[in-house]
Amino acid sequence: EAGVAQSPRYKIIEKRQSVAFWCNPISGHATLYWYQQILGQGPKLLIQFQNNGVVDDSQLPKDRFSAERLKGVDSTLKIQPAKLEDSAVYLCASTPIHHVAWDGELFFGEGSRLTVL
Amino acid sequence: TQLLEQSPQFLSIQEGENLTVYCNSSSVFSSLQWYRQEPGEGPVLLVTVVTGGEVKKLKRLTFQFGDARKDSSLHITAAQPGDTGLYLCAGAGNTDKLIFGTGTRLQVFP
Repeated sequence: EAGVAQSPRYKIIEKRQSVAFWCNPISGHATLYWYQQILGQGPKLLIQFQNNGVVDDSQLPKDRFSAERLKGVDSTLKIQPAKLEDSAVYLCASTPIHHVAWDGELFFGEGSRLTVL
Repeated sequence: TQLLEQSPQFLSIQEGENLTVYCNSSSVFSSLQWYRQEPGEGPVLLVTVVTGGEVKKLKRLTFQFGDARKDSSLHITAAQPGDTGLYLCAGAGNTDKLIFGTGTRLQVFP
């Protein structure tokens, strides 16, 4: 079974430029998450989708970040304009179930490393 | 806001030593998960604990969920270089959101 696919793996941009990341979750997984992980820290949830609807985007900086999951499969995360503090790894994860409160497991992609100069 | 603090932040030990990583919060969680993340990879689930006081063993790793479901620990016996990585605890509360801890970076030297 193919895992969560993310691209690009690496991206270097200058501040105020824009960038987009793509995620293809495991086939059949209804729930998709985007996390931001700053070097050496734990992942911070940015947005959670259930199929093509947003479940939680309370931590998404909406003035510069946007995400969509058209057709409830692939997802894109966009940053415009980027700031220096956006340098991080952006992780996409998916799970087949809606409730992770019991024994759900998040399946992560390898991440997209963003460097903002 | 639910927060999970891990300690220590960094741990550097020799092969064969034992170690314990702690994950603490002031909030109650429905379940607590532990993930390991290697450089350039996403986190991978090690274990899920759901009952207060629960202890689970995975080979040389022992996981415990606190009685009040606010804290957890991970104990590694006879650490090996392959155990090197970033260890993350993650708590699930009354929503579907999984909150990750601050992380513990473990380095095991041969």
